[in-house]
Amino acid sequence: GQSLEQPSEVTAVEGAIVQINCTYQTSGFYGLSWYQQHDGGAPTFLSYNALDGLEETGRFSSFLSRSDSYGYLLLQELQMKDSASYFCAAHSGGYQKVTFGIGTKLQVIP
Amino acid sequence: GAVVSQHPSRVICKSGTSVKIECRSLDFQATTMFWYRQFPKQSLMLMATSNEGSKATYEQGVEKDKFLINHASLTLSTLTVTSAHPEDSSFYICSARDTGLSGNTIYFGEGSWLTVV
Repeated sequence: GQSLEQPSEVTAVEGAIVQINCTYQTSGFYGLSWYQQHDGGAPTFLSYNALDGLEETGRFSSFLSRSDSYGYLLLQELQMKDSASYFCAAHSGGYQKVTFGIGTKLQVIP
Repeated sequence: GAVVSQHPSRVICKSGTSVKIECRSLDFQATTMFWYRQFPKQSLMLMATSNEGSKATYEQGVEKDKFLINHASLTLSTLTVTSAHPEDSSFYICSARDTGLSGNTIYFGEGSWLTVV
């Protein structure tokens, strides 16, 4: 089976850094992705980790430790528009099958 | 612009009727597409894997006779909610991967809001 755990809510101050953790139990694990979803919208892809280590894309970075079945999304220089839900998602079945976590609702406050 | 398009974006239907949602990959061919549903404030739940030219693979607990999936071409998959009930009201979203690229991005459609009254 597949299961992922991440915090349900996080609040952070504009300009600060926030880390959203994700632990997973996935058979046939292939990699971990992160998606952002604003209310009423579709998920948009942020990053993907297949190997251990840190992937950096602008203000967003993602980390994976396969041995610990753990990853995180790091958001730097937070902006108000970053307020959204962030989902970690485990890839299996040769990458294409994606199982989503419950999502972490991030609220950025002034 | 969107690389995966869904239609309609919003639909309201009467209980007992059927509704078809289309998912199209633009500018690329997708042998496999995925259908998810998302209830308010909840995560996306994979419903089924749509395979071009063959039967869809449904996740446990998803009624295949209620949620009919047809993947008739390499750019189009359809989800038909048959005999819809109010509890089927949800956000339905599809995804597809451009197998012509070596990247790791899966593209999502814009989603379809279904309200059954």
